[in-house]
Amino acid sequence: DIVMTQSPDSLAVSLGERATINCKSSQSILYNSNKKNYLSWYQQKPGQSPKLLIYWASIRESGVPDRFSGGGSGTDFTLTISSLQAEDVAVYYCHQYYDTPWTFGQGTKVEIK
Amino acid sequence: QVQLRESGPGLVRPSQTLSLTCSISGDSVSTNSAAWNWIRHSPSRGLEWLGRTYYRSKRYNDYGTSVKSRISINPDTSRNQFSLQLTSATPEDTGVYYCVRYNWNGGFDCWGQGTLVTVSS
Repeated sequence: DIVMTQSPDSLAVSLGERATINCKSSQSILYNSNKKNYLSWYQQKPGQSPKLLIYWASIRESGVPDRFSGGGSGTDFTLTISSLQAEDVAVYYCHQYYDTPWTFGQGTKVEIK
Repeated sequence: QVQLRESGPGLVRPSQTLSLTCSISGDSVSTNSAAWNWIRHSPSRGLEWLGRTYYRSKRYNDYGTSVKSRISINPDTSRNQFSLQLTSATPEDTGVYYCVRYNWNGGFDCWGQGTLVTVSS
């Protein structure tokens, strides 16, 4: 199984400041034939279902604010919130869909400092 | 728009079978454009993908490692639903269970509201 490891486990950032979450896969999730990274990011607020933010590592889902961005390739990926808003308090998960069994990172909790 | 709704017992006795159903509206369980998944969330395991069913000229299933020997996911095309059966339930199977659509364009783009299942005597 591909292991997804996120860092840090939790993060406290001041309103308006940048938040960066890292995600590392135990093997490359870049498919060479189409040059796509099989990596997505999800936001889960308390009491809600997870919500898709980013897919193919860097493509924002429709309706997601542009302060959210994804980057990286191969085994190392990042989710950046450029200017943290109060409504961004949540747990964030990365997910690989390169190979089954599909796997998630353990989650990163983002709070307001 | 696509909506998913989980249904089933909230309490399951240890060693019994955990059974849930997901009702789909706005899409079809037999579409070639998506895979239909079960994912659970628990404080100890976080988000865990349990498995999927999908059609690509024929029907396919894939399952997660930790549940592979106990799980079955089946579509019901007449009711536009898909189901989860997890045999020999233990307290470690306690969690919130989500049915989720995976869009082949990338990502789990539609989630049910989730249903809490507790395995306890």
